[in-house]
Amino acid sequence: QVQLQESGPGLVKPSETLSLTCTVTGDSVSSGSYYWSWVRQPPGKGLEWIGYIYYSGTTKYNPSLKSRVTVSVDTSKNQFSLRLMSVTAADTAVYYCARLYGDHDSFDYWGQGTLVAVSS
Amino acid sequence: QSALTQPASVSGSPGQSITISCTGTNSDVGNYNLVSWYQQHPGKAPKLMIYEVTKRPSGISNRFSGSKSANTASLTLSGLQAEDEADYYCCSYAGSGTSYVFGTGTKVTVL
Repeated sequence: QVQLQESGPGLVKPSETLSLTCTVTGDSVSSGSYYWSWVRQPPGKGLEWIGYIYYSGTTKYNPSLKSRVTVSVDTSKNQFSLRLMSVTAADTAVYYCARLYGDHDSFDYWGQGTLVAVSS
Repeated sequence: QSALTQPASVSGSPGQSITISCTGTNSDVGNYNLVSWYQQHPGKAPKLMIYEVTKRPSGISNRFSGSKSANTASLTLSGLQAEDEADYYCCSYAGSGTSYVFGTGTKVTVL
């Protein structure tokens, strides 16, 4: 059974960098058919795709966040990570990691999500 | 890239059928048969219900069905049950530049 689990600080100060890690079990981040993704959801609002990484290191980001986002992968730990720079209150959200199945372009497995608040 | 447009809320009585629309543009919904739908209960992660417009993942009830016409995709819930009460989001591939765009979300209420 594929499982994803987010981890990282729940509180980040404005202008600092948000960093989260997703640990994958039951699958390998080196699987060729999948793109390892981040999606966020501000409180009471809808979902927003942030970006993804392929095991080879290829990345793709939401144009609205591209200048501030980096997604990386650590195949030795079977993890992938998100860094979002220069955060503001607007970045307060539940952050989900998810597996994107490339053949279907759909997010088939999700982590439980982690709330990150941006506040001083 | 703007979010896909969904009605804020849809309701129905148990046993009835309801349909949720998801309207995009020629750059996303209208250009690719790569629309997926997600169910999200309060405080929970989204769950994939439909992919590639009409296909159901293993284990998803056949009460859920998807379709698409031009720039609008739809999710139909048949035989509405109390457990279907949740938020529903559509998502479309939008090309190599934007990649993926979600809908605004629809709250389904079972009366």
